[in-house]
Amino acid sequence: NAGVMQNPRHLVRRRGQEARLRCSPMKGHSHVYWYRQLPEEGLKFMVYLQKENIIDESGMPKERFSAEFPKEGPSILRIQQVVRGDSAAYFCASSPPAVPRDSAFFGQGTRLTVV
Amino acid sequence: KQEVTQIPAALSVPEGENLVLNCSFTDSAIYNLQWFRQDPGKGLTSLLLIQSSQREQTSGRLNASLDKSSGRSTLYIAASQPGDSATYLCAVRGDSNYQLIWGAGTKLIIKP
Repeated sequence: NAGVMQNPRHLVRRRGQEARLRCSPMKGHSHVYWYRQLPEEGLKFMVYLQKENIIDESGMPKERFSAEFPKEGPSILRIQQVVRGDSAAYFCASSPPAVPRDSAFFGQGTRLTVV
Repeated sequence: KQEVTQIPAALSVPEGENLVLNCSFTDSAIYNLQWFRQDPGKGLTSLLLIQSSQREQTSGRLNASLDKSSGRSTLYIAASQPGDSATYLCAVRGDSNYQLIWGAGTKLIIKP
């Protein structure tokens, strides 16, 4: 049973481009969380999704950021028109449906660099 | 609003010492608390999870305690080794939501 898979591991984008970060949860997990870790800062919650539903997006910036978790395929965190301040490590975690709050398994993260 | 604080921010000790990392949180209405390890440029490894009804959890040389009423948790590492060098993160999950609220971490260096 593979763990939470995130790709790419490293992503370089020029200012103004779009960044797409992918997260494949563990097998059988239907809950996905995205967190962002800015340089020299702690992790911050961004969004919590279940299959085809956004449950809590209170941590998402209001503009340029969006997330989805379709019925089939990975969860996608999309950042449009990236700026230097978006450079960070983005982590995805997944939980099983029965106990979504009991634990969360994290991926290795995607390190986004905006140049 | 929940806030999580970790003290100290950094710690350097000789190999073999026992040590304690501290985590405090402002809202005692938590569902659980987790300790993670993060190596430079790497992902997050869950070390211990303590449910709100529990007082402590142990795994090998690690022991985590939870005092919910006082808003404190400690991570005890016995007989430290250079391989324990990493940043240790504390995170709490509230009673009424699903997100983890994170401390800024303690950067631990174990000197051989």
